[in-house]
Amino acid sequence: DAGVTQSPTHLIKTRGQHVTLRCSPISGHKSVSWYQQVLGQGPQFIFQYYEKEERGRGNFPDRFSARQFPNYSSELNVNALLLGDSALYLCASSLRGVNQPQHFGDGTRLSIL
Amino acid sequence: TQLLEQSPQFLSIQEGENLTVYCNSSSVFSSLQWYRQEPGEGPVLLVTVVTGGEVKKLKRLTFQFGDARKDSSLHITAAQPGDTGLYLCAGAGGYGGSQGNLIFGKGTKLSVKP
Repeated sequence: DAGVTQSPTHLIKTRGQHVTLRCSPISGHKSVSWYQQVLGQGPQFIFQYYEKEERGRGNFPDRFSARQFPNYSSELNVNALLLGDSALYLCASSLRGVNQPQHFGDGTRLSIL
Repeated sequence: TQLLEQSPQFLSIQEGENLTVYCNSSSVFSSLQWYRQEPGEGPVLLVTVVTGGEVKKLKRLTFQFGDARKDSSLHITAAQPGDTGLYLCAGAGGYGGSQGNLIFGKGTKLSVKP
């Protein structure tokens, strides 16, 4: 079975632009979570979606938004990009929620110039 | 605010040595997960511990969950170069926090030299 896939793998943007990151969960997984990992740090929780509903939101500004589609894939959108948004954005899927094994994709490396 | 503190932050050892990584918090978690992450890749789950006092073994790796479910440790016996990577602990379902997220520590960067 295919693992969690994320696209694109790398992205370069400039300040003020908008970005959309995409995630396809493992087949059968209904929960998708998004994390931001800054170099040298552990991942920080941004959003969790289960059955297309937001189930959790981390301490991130409203410039960050996400959604989950009927096929359980997900998008993370970030508006008005700042230099500090440069990070590895990770998507994780699980059958139902965070108390179950999380399967991570390899992330999207976002660089803001 | 729930925090998970990992120590040490960096560890550089010779092949064959033993090591222990610690993960501590003032919060109680319903479960704690350990991950290993290599450069350019996402974290890979090693183990989930759920019950206070639980000990799980995965070949040369031994994981322990504290009795009060606030802390955990990872012990590696006879480390090998292939064990090199970033080890992350993550707590789930912490009381007083959102039930929808994992809280990660900053990680322990392990380097095992041949």
